[in-house]
Amino acid sequence: AAGVIQSPRHLIKEKRETATLKCYPIPRHDTVYWYQQGPGQDPQFLISFYEKMQSDKGSIPDRFSAQQFSDYHSELNMSSLELGDSALYFCASSWSGGHFTDTQYFGPGTRLTVL
Amino acid sequence: AQSVAQPEDQVNVAEGNPLTVKCTYSVSGNPYLFWYVQYPNRGLQFLLKYITGDNLVKGSYGFEAEFNKSQTSFHLKKPSALVSDSALYFCAVRVPDNTDKLIFGTGTRLQVFP
Repeated sequence: AAGVIQSPRHLIKEKRETATLKCYPIPRHDTVYWYQQGPGQDPQFLISFYEKMQSDKGSIPDRFSAQQFSDYHSELNMSSLELGDSALYFCASSWSGGHFTDTQYFGPGTRLTVL
Repeated sequence: AQSVAQPEDQVNVAEGNPLTVKCTYSVSGNPYLFWYVQYPNRGLQFLLKYITGDNLVKGSYGFEAEFNKSQTSFHLKKPSALVSDSALYFCAVRVPDNTDKLIFGTGTRLQVFP
């Protein structure tokens, strides 16, 4: 079965640079979520989109922005990168089916290292 | 505030023995509860969920979990552990309002010894 695809899998950037992470949800899934997992930490919710509209926002820095496109893929844009942004960034997708009960399926993650 | 607690950082069990990974939650309203497993350098893999209905939920790879409302717990169990079950396990709760945000516990590392 098709899974959530994230690219790139690994990314190395310098401080103050910009990074763009991409997420391709499972086909027919209409909701996308972004999470950040720091070293040894649990995943923290950043932001989510339902039908291309932002549906919820968590602890996402103002330096970060995201959007969901007409084909339901999503991009997380990160500017003015800081050392503390080094983490594993997960995208998850789900199908709402009219109820907020469906399972979030996670991608393999993008490991961002800021030097 | 909504929260999930996994009181054990690590659980050690011998192969073939039963295993339990503990999870308790604190939310207002009826929780939606999930277990995910994370292998090294891999994403989070869904194991099972409780939304409503039977308190005993069966999931992937022989895992099951029991929802206990009075104890606000959702412990993950398996009758016979395998070495390949060694991984990091996360309990998560969905805040029961009109969003889908998952709140995760801090994770429990399961080590199964041959």
